[in-house]
Parts: sequence; structure tokens; C-alpha cells
Amino acid sequence: DAGVTQSPTHLIKTRGQQVTLRCSPISGHKSVSWYQQVLGQGPQFIFQYYEKEERGRGNFPDRFSARQFPNYSSELNVNALLLGDSALYLCASSLSTGVRSPLHFGNGTRLTVT
Amino acid sequence: DQQVKQNSPSLSVQEGRISILNCDYTNSMFDYFLWYKKYPAEGPTFLISISSIKDKNEDGRFTVFLNKSAKHLSLHIVPSQPGDSAVYFCAASLIQGAQKLVFGQGTRLTINP
Repeated sequence: DAGVTQSPTHLIKTRGQQVTLRCSPISGHKSVSWYQQVLGQGPQFIFQYYEKEERGRGNFPDRFSARQFPNYSSELNVNALLLGDSALYLCASSLSTGVRSPLHFGNGTRLTVT
Repeated sequence: DQQVKQNSPSLSVQEGRISILNCDYTNSMFDYFLWYKKYPAEGPTFLISISSIKDKNEDGRFTVFLNKSAKHLSLHIVPSQPGDSAVYFCAASLIQGAQKLVFGQGTRLTINP
């Protein structure tokens, strides 16, 4: 079975631009979460979506938004990019919303803001 | 405020010996803890978890220990194998509510032949 797939794998944007990252969960998984991993740090929670509804939001500015589609795929949007948004963006899926349902991570999208 | 801390950025262990990775947390509300392993250019992979009602959980070569009074958990790998070389992240969460994991900074484990 295919794992969590993310696109694109790498992306270079300029300050002030907008970016959309995409994620397809494992088949049968209805929950999708997004994490940001800055170099040298652990992943930081951005959003969780389940059945197209937002179930949790981390401490990120309103420039960050996301949505989940009827097929459970998800997009993460970041507006007005800042240099500090340069990071690895990880998408993870799970069967349910509970913490006992392990997160399965994709390989991430590496975003560089210049 | 770093709620989950892994104070050792790196650890080197000889093949066949025990690897011990440590993690401290500050939020006493956390009641579920996990370890993830990450290889270069891949996403983190779930290894093992433990809830706060237990103090130990085993899965094959991997054992996680939880000391709630010290707000400390550790991951033991016995015996260590070359394929265990990776970055290990501990994470903490609340059982109730959103599936929001708070990760430590990671420890790079290198197993030497």
C-alpha cells in the first residue's frame, strides 16, 4: 500500500509570495495533520483535520491555513511568506483522531524562502 | 518554552550494546508519550508509545520507561544494530482532545560496528 505522499518535494519561493503544499493520506485514513520542522528542531504541530473539519490548531499565525477534501487529501497554504517559514513541512495521516492511533508521516516538502 | 527536551543532540554506541535515549518534559498534564525514528530524507516513523498509567512498555528490542515524578522518559534499544542509526524524537501529548504531538529536538544515534 502507498504511504503518505506529499508534493512537491522541494520548493523555492520569494518573501511575500504564497505557497500551497499537498498531501494524500494512506488509503482508509481520515485524519490528516501538518507539522513544521525547522532545521535542528523537532516537528511542530500546525493543524489537524478529520472528516474535512479542523480538529486542532497549533501556535501559528493566520497566514497559515489548511483544508481537507472529500477524498481526505489535504492542502496547507501559507501566505505572505517570511524567511522564517523556511522549513520541512510534514504531513501525517492516521485512522482516527485519537493519540493512540499512530501518525504515519510523509517524506515532507522542503520549502526555502529567499 | 520547550515543553519536551532531549538534552543529548547525539549518541554513539557500539553494535550489540544497549542504547539509552533520554527525554524530559515540563508539562505535568501530558499523559501519553511516543518515540519516533527518522532516517535522512524520510518522514518520522512511529516506534513505541506509553500512557501515563504505565511505567514500562516493551516491543521487541525497544523498551520505553516512564518516570512521572521526574517527568522523564527513556528509550532502551537492546541489542543495538547498525540499522538503528537514525534521529530519534520523543513526543508527548494529551489522550483527550486533538492529536497534537509536542516533539523534542531529537537525538542522533550512531551505531558503530
